[in-house]
Amino acid sequence: DVKVTQSSRYLVKRTGEKVFLECVQDMDHENMFWYRQDPGLGLRLIYFSYDVKMKEKGDIPEGYSVSREKKERFSLILESASTNQTSMYLCASTGDRDYEQYFGPGTRLTVT
Amino acid sequence: GQQLNQSPQSMFIQEGEDVSMNCTSSSIFNTWLWYKQEPGEGPVLLIALYKAGELTSNGRLTAQFGITRKDSFLNISASIPSDVGIYFCAKYAGGTSYGKLTFGQGTILTVHP
Repeated sequence: DVKVTQSSRYLVKRTGEKVFLECVQDMDHENMFWYRQDPGLGLRLIYFSYDVKMKEKGDIPEGYSVSREKKERFSLILESASTNQTSMYLCASTGDRDYEQYFGPGTRLTVT
Repeated sequence: GQQLNQSPQSMFIQEGEDVSMNCTSSSIFNTWLWYKQEPGEGPVLLIALYKAGELTSNGRLTAQFGITRKDSFLNISASIPSDVGIYFCAKYAGGTSYGKLTFGQGTILTVHP
């Protein structure tokens, strides 16, 4: 069974703090993704990575950066958290079947 | 911006009823997908559709890839309480897209016992 884990289920941070969200997958997948999920907007892609140290911007990269130093780990960084980044953040990875994304359980981030 | 339009946004139904939701795109893609997100979990792939007109079933779920290649439908027959969740359509470009998907806004399904 593919397992994608995220470091926290719930996180509360203050405006201006630097925030790290960690994602780990255990199936040697090449591609990894970060989404944010907001009511009525579905899942919007922030960044994705197709190999170690390789990354590409998704649809809403502003205010975020990512890091992929090891194949199994993909980190999302909020350099200076703002209240409009309060959201559910989902990490995913894909293997042989590119279109089948395996998701973690999500991190609900609240920025106050 | 969002390229998929999914409807309805939410549905409240009685157990045993059938459910239908759909998704339209402004452009043609080769693969349509339907995912389900249960409360407190990430989405999970339900059905993948690969060619226009294709009809695929997974238990009580049936999905169709529209003839125009710009739309897709998901039907759930005889709903049960565990069908509760958010259903997302998604499209996949294939090729060198590295598995990138575009998701619809989601349909929130509530089933009353």
